[in-house]
Amino acid sequence: KQEVTQIPAALSVPEGENLVLNCSFTDSAIYNLQWFRQDPGKGLTSLLLIQSSQREQTSGRLNASLDKSSGRSTLYIAASQPGDSATYLCAVSYNTDKLIFGTGTRLQVFP
Amino acid sequence: DTEVTQTPKHLVMGMTNKKSLKCEQHMGHRAMYWYKQKAKKPPELMFVYSYEKLSINESVPSRFSPECPNSSLLNLHLHALQPEDSALYLCASSPRGNWRASGSYNEQFFGPGTRLTVL
Repeated sequence: KQEVTQIPAALSVPEGENLVLNCSFTDSAIYNLQWFRQDPGKGLTSLLLIQSSQREQTSGRLNASLDKSSGRSTLYIAASQPGDSATYLCAVSYNTDKLIFGTGTRLQVFP
Repeated sequence: DTEVTQTPKHLVMGMTNKKSLKCEQHMGHRAMYWYKQKAKKPPELMFVYSYEKLSINESVPSRFSPECPNSSLLNLHLHALQPEDSALYLCASSPRGNWRASGSYNEQFFGPGTRLTVL
């Protein structure tokens, strides 16, 4: 069964810390992996997409890495800010229209 | 235009009402999706339209009826809903077609959602 797990489920850190959010998937034959951010009661904002042939992608203070063989992706957030507080979801695709979502990490960054 | 829009933002309806949710995108995307999301859970896929044809129905009850009038517009018609159908309904779109070679043909972009409450 194709499953995606995110650890930790919740994280609370002071402003300025560098963070690592983890995403694990059971079937390593992924096509691509997306990281999303969701603010409470809002839609999902696409942060980064990593194709199966890539090792990492960067956007501003965000860096996502992918290790297919071990079934893992990490989202690195540099110099965290209170505005980064949100739920972060990873989702994998197996070359179909279905995204398999992880359980999410709820991040709170306090001043 | 690089966004997916959804209307209304909020909807309250009784179990005997008929209402519709609307989703629109003008990015030239050829796949559109409906998701349902309950509190503190990830989104659950309901329907997928690819090139205006229904390609996936995740065994959704018939009280939810999707419609794709054209490549930019997606509707979700609601009838005789139950209180447990209260949730955030999300629409998404993805490029398809020539994007397949780039490995991002199915990258999904989401709208802000409609918060539905069924009384």
